[in-house]
Amino acid sequence: DTGVSQDPRHKITKRGQNVTFRCDPISEHNRLYWYRQTLGQGPEFLTYFQNEAQLEKSRLLSDRFSAERPKGSFSTLEIQRTEQGDSAMYLCASSPDRAADTQYFGPGTRLTVL
Amino acid sequence: SQKIEQNSEALNIQEGKTATLTCNYTNYSPAYLQWYRQDPGRGPVFLLLIRENEKEKRKERLKVTFDTTLKQSLFHITASQPADSATYLCALVNQAGTALIFGKGTTLSVSS
Repeated sequence: DTGVSQDPRHKITKRGQNVTFRCDPISEHNRLYWYRQTLGQGPEFLTYFQNEAQLEKSRLLSDRFSAERPKGSFSTLEIQRTEQGDSAMYLCASSPDRAADTQYFGPGTRLTVL
Repeated sequence: SQKIEQNSEALNIQEGKTATLTCNYTNYSPAYLQWYRQDPGRGPVFLLLIRENEKEKRKERLKVTFDTTLKQSLFHITASQPADSATYLCALVNQAGTALIFGKGTTLSVSS
């Protein structure tokens, strides 16, 4: 069990550029979550996958955001036409195939939009 | 919608004392509540889960209580150490059971 990994750990981009983040969950976990966290706040839910199916999306996930989990393994989160307000820590978590019990978080990707 | 409040943004205590953190929630009756620890620049790490039929749960120096009448959970760290300094997050599962709703967290600083 190597834990949840995320890549890159840090990303600096210019406003208007597209960025893509990757998350590799714990291998036997069917559920995968994306959260966003800004300074002084707790993580906020963005979206959730059960295997390859994206089952829920928060209203925070504007149409510039898209997430995929092909083959039910790793997941990607893409932000198009980034804005300064997108600057945040993007966290990925996974959990076994039951209700949202204990979630195992990755180290996060820190995005800075200049 | 569900709402979680962690009353203190920061808590400063001396080594050896007991730290008590508070989490209140409204508009919801969760089946369980969780506490996570988060260090700067890292993802949250699960600490304890307490179910609605459990009044208290312990793990080493950690103790969590869950009062469904008051809609409140208390998180205690006894014999605190500087290494306990971190942000502690309270979390509830949403009504759909699909995601966690987190409080803002309380940043604990333990001085030696």
